[in-house]
Amino acid sequence: EAGVVQSPRYKIIEKKQPVAFWCNPISGHNTLYWYRQNLGQGPELLIRYENEEAVDDSQLPKDRFSAERLKGVDSTLKIQPAELGDSAVYLCASSPWTDTNTGELFFGEGSRLTVL
Amino acid sequence: AQRVTQPEKLLSVFKGAPVELKCNYSYSGSPELFWYVQYSRQRLQLLLRHISRESIKGFTADLNKGETSFHLKKPFAQEEDSAMYYCALSGRGSQGNLIFGKGTKLSVKP
Repeated sequence: EAGVVQSPRYKIIEKKQPVAFWCNPISGHNTLYWYRQNLGQGPELLIRYENEEAVDDSQLPKDRFSAERLKGVDSTLKIQPAELGDSAVYLCASSPWTDTNTGELFFGEGSRLTVL
Repeated sequence: AQRVTQPEKLLSVFKGAPVELKCNYSYSGSPELFWYVQYSRQRLQLLLRHISRESIKGFTADLNKGETSFHLKKPFAQEEDSAMYYCALSGRGSQGNLIFGKGTKLSVKP
């Protein structure tokens, strides 16, 4: 099984430009998460989906960040416009509905964003 | 405030030596604690969770509610244990929203 798939793996853009990240979770996983990991830090939750519904987006900077999970499968995270401080690794994770409370999240390899 | 503290950024030990990665937490309710690991060029993955009370790859971790700690231990470190280790906390009912520490890089020297 391929696991959680993310693209692109790397992205370099200039500030004020838009950028989008895509995530394909493990088949059958209802819960999808987007985390951001700054250099030298642990991952921090941005948004959590249950199927197509965003059930926790309290940490998502809504002025420039947006996310969607159409049809409850793939998800896209967008930043527009990007700022220098957005440079980070953006991690997507998924978990099966029944495992939501066990803490086992399956992570993708991440998308490393560099904003110049 | 909910917080996970890993005081050591880097821990270096020799092969065969005991290793302990420290983790302290702050949480007002009854948390669930986890250790995640990221080996070089691999994705972040679950190592163990306190509710399972199991040993994975020789690692164990005991939740000490009095000291609000969840230290990860292994009696004899191996070179293949070299990795980034993250302690994480989930509040009961938070449905998987994990709060991670900053991580500790474990380096096991031959």
